[in-house]
Amino acid sequence: AQSVAQPEDQVNVAEGNPLTVKCTYSVSGNPYLFWYVQYPNRGLQFLLKYITGDNLVKGSYGFEAEFNKSQTSFHLKKPSALVSDSALYFCAVRSNTGGFKTIFGAGTRLFVKA
Amino acid sequence: GAVVSQHPSWVICKSGTSVKIECRSLDFQATTMFWYRQFPKQSLMLMATSNEGSKATYEQGVEKDKFLINHASLTLSTLTVTSAHPEDSSFYICSARGDGPPRGGQPQHFGDGTRLSIL
Repeated sequence: AQSVAQPEDQVNVAEGNPLTVKCTYSVSGNPYLFWYVQYPNRGLQFLLKYITGDNLVKGSYGFEAEFNKSQTSFHLKKPSALVSDSALYFCAVRSNTGGFKTIFGAGTRLFVKA
Repeated sequence: GAVVSQHPSWVICKSGTSVKIECRSLDFQATTMFWYRQFPKQSLMLMATSNEGSKATYEQGVEKDKFLINHASLTLSTLTVTSAHPEDSSFYICSARGDGPPRGGQPQHFGDGTRLSIL
């Protein structure tokens, strides 16, 4: 069975510091991995994805994520956090062996303090 | 590009009323659309997968007679909550996925959600 784990309910970081939001996954077959961000009372916005190729993926708003096959991880990173990055972040995984059904993580709330 | 429009944003209505929520992909065609329900401080719960021109596929535990889904065109899916009751109050979010290659590799694009409050 496919699964996604976001081990941290909440991440706190000071503005200007680097941030990391963790994600690990379990699939059979090749994973398609995604990060989304949700602001209050809004739907999810797509940030970036990994399908194949370069393990380091760059996305919107200065975010990037690194696919690590051996550790089955896809952590979201940003070199310098902004207060406006405060939101709820979801990791998601899909695979061909799962019929391309998307499995979302539980979400991690990011607080960036000024 | 890849905009999904969902409306209404907010609905407040009396118990027993039926409520229709629309989801449109504005600049791309989506054979498949998804309907989610989100409870406060929780992740998304997939309710059903809506397939253009065919019946929706409901997740286990979701009443298909309660939550009617119609996907009449490649750009429009609707969710009707029939005879809504207070326990149906929630945040409902639709999503559409483009059909381009690689198969299954397109991201999902989400509407801004509908907050439904049943009195």
